[in-house]
Amino acid sequence: DGGITQSPKYLFRKEGQNVTLSCEQNLNHDAMYWYRQDPGQGLRLIYYSQIVNDFQKGDIAEGYSVSREKKESFPLTVTSAQKNPTAFYLCASRPRDRGPYEQYFGPGTRLTVT
Amino acid sequence: SQQGEEDPQALSIQEGENATMNCSYKTSINNLQWYRQNSGRGLVHLILIRSNEREKHSGRLRVTLDTSKKSSSLLITASRAADTASYFCATSGAGSYQLTFGKGTKLSVIP
Repeated sequence: DGGITQSPKYLFRKEGQNVTLSCEQNLNHDAMYWYRQDPGQGLRLIYYSQIVNDFQKGDIAEGYSVSREKKESFPLTVTSAQKNPTAFYLCASRPRDRGPYEQYFGPGTRLTVT
Repeated sequence: SQQGEEDPQALSIQEGENATMNCSYKTSINNLQWYRQNSGRGLVHLILIRSNEREKHSGRLRVTLDTSKKSSSLLITASRAADTASYFCATSGAGSYQLTFGKGTKLSVIP
């Protein structure tokens, strides 16, 4: 069963704690992405990775960090430096450097920080 | 910054009616895509239209693109209750595989 998995579906943390969101894909895609979605809003790009051991900042990278040690995995850490971390986080992937251009999305993780 | 802007923000129609959503963008694009998001779920790709195309069909979906006006429309014909979702347009610029999303149109189809 191919696809992208994100875990957990819901995550609760206290303010000041770092938290890591998991994203795994078995689609053999090179590129992976992390987006943040706030209520009634579109998606904003946090970080993306085109290849293992390489990643770039997106539009709203401050307060977040990522790693890409394996092709299948692209975990996102929300650090205590992120001012407003409560949001819905979506991971996506696509083949690198060629069409199709569409991205494949995971089911998302809803993070609540109090 | 977000490039796409969907219009309307919300749309409520009766089952069987057609639904039209519009998307405007600001800079030159390589392609424009439409995605659907059911409440609390991930996005699902619906259709992609390239900058040199004017119209594309997929099942009950019809997408148009007017690059001179920097706008696109998504038409869903004979809507069903299962079409209830938020719909987003996303643009990709020349030489880029990154997507820039709009804020979406929330469609409610009433049975």
